[in-house]
Amino acid sequence: KAGVTQTPRYLIKTRGQQVTLSCSPISGHRSVSWYQQTPGQGLQFLFEYFSETQRNKGNFPGRFSGRQFSNSRSEMNVSTLELGDSALYLCASSLASSSSYEQYFGPGTRLTVT
Amino acid sequence: ILNVEQSPQSLHVQEGDSTNFTCSFPSSNFYALHWYRWETAKSPEALFVMTLNGDEKKKGRISATLNTKEGYSYLYIKGSQPEDSATYLCASLDNYGQNFVFGPGTRLSVLP
Repeated sequence: KAGVTQTPRYLIKTRGQQVTLSCSPISGHRSVSWYQQTPGQGLQFLFEYFSETQRNKGNFPGRFSGRQFSNSRSEMNVSTLELGDSALYLCASSLASSSSYEQYFGPGTRLTVT
Repeated sequence: ILNVEQSPQSLHVQEGDSTNFTCSFPSSNFYALHWYRWETAKSPEALFVMTLNGDEKKKGRISATLNTKEGYSYLYIKGSQPEDSATYLCASLDNYGQNFVFGPGTRLSVLP
């Protein structure tokens, strides 16, 4: 069974631009969660989507948004990029609610904002 | 907002030693606790999902216990091997926000 895939793997953007990251979950998984990892803040939860609906949201500004498609693939968008958005963005999929099931993480997208 | 803490921050042990570390989380409105292993240049790997007070789970040489009343979980590694070297993360979920809060992790180095 193929694992979680994320595209692109690396990305360089400039301040003020916007970016869209993509995550394809393991086949059959309906929940996709997004996380941001920075050296200073560690791993932080962004949001979770289940059956095309956002279930939970972490403490991030509205510039961070996401969506999920009917095939469970998910995208995350960050608008008006700031230098502090430079981070590793991970997505994880699980069978159903991520709270009760193991999450399987993708390799991440490394975003650098200059 | 949950505050999840882990100790120690880092740990160096010799191959064959057994070790353990702690994850502390607010006990009120507890819903679930997850443990992950994160090796350098790889993705985090799920170890355990624990929900019930007194839960004990085991996977090979790694086991974990959960005390939801006092708000802590222990992760044990028996007979550490160099391949166990990684950062071990716990994440807690409460009934309110239903969003994960990760601890800062314990970085384990097993010396051959």
